[in-house]
Amino acid sequence: SQQGEEDPQALSIQEGENATMNCSYKTSINNLQWYRQNSGRGLVHLILIRSNEREKHSGRLRVTLDTSKKSSSLLITASRAADTASYFCATDNQAGTALIFGKGTTLSVSS
Amino acid sequence: DAGVTQSPTHLIKTRGQHVTLRCSPISGHKSVSWYQQVLGQGPQFIFQYYEKEERGRGNFPDRFSARQFPNYSSELNVNALLLGDSALYLCASSPEGQGPYNEQFFGPGTRLTVL
Repeated sequence: SQQGEEDPQALSIQEGENATMNCSYKTSINNLQWYRQNSGRGLVHLILIRSNEREKHSGRLRVTLDTSKKSSSLLITASRAADTASYFCATDNQAGTALIFGKGTTLSVSS
Repeated sequence: DAGVTQSPTHLIKTRGQHVTLRCSPISGHKSVSWYQQVLGQGPQFIFQYYEKEERGRGNFPDRFSARQFPNYSSELNVNALLLGDSALYLCASSPEGQGPYNEQFFGPGTRLTVL
């Protein structure tokens, strides 16, 4: 079963615009991570936010976490064509032995 | 440093056959996890191994098995292949073993096609 659900499923924007993706999850978490996947290849870790954190930045990325609403958002500022990829949120399962991924948001950035 | 490596890159099998996928973690990483990603879906957890012991198993049938070797590399075996086993199989490693609380480092995956 999937813990996280990303929204929207697909997003198309122009270069320079900001892209916002949302993730909702069902059970309590220790942390939440965001990954990027290019063209069905391996996933690349973007950022990890712990349950006691509310916001985190990494370069052009900003992640927020609202544990009361069981939701997170990923903001990519000043998007580039190279940001075109699928983005997944992932949380740990209750046993702490696995990451549980959502279905992902497919981002398309056109120049 | 080399990243996580997986072999083979692509594989085509027929129903009923057996397949073995291989993964070498980043040097120094003792935890290896396997995920199955069907087209259009997020990765689904199959197994986690740490120090050669199974630490977690996802909701997959017994046709799926895995092991970890003394050098921390790992194999995923799938018996009696079904069409529905066609997917991208991802291996991930991490330094810690007590759960994937931290960053997982993923390999490029093995694309398995079952005909």
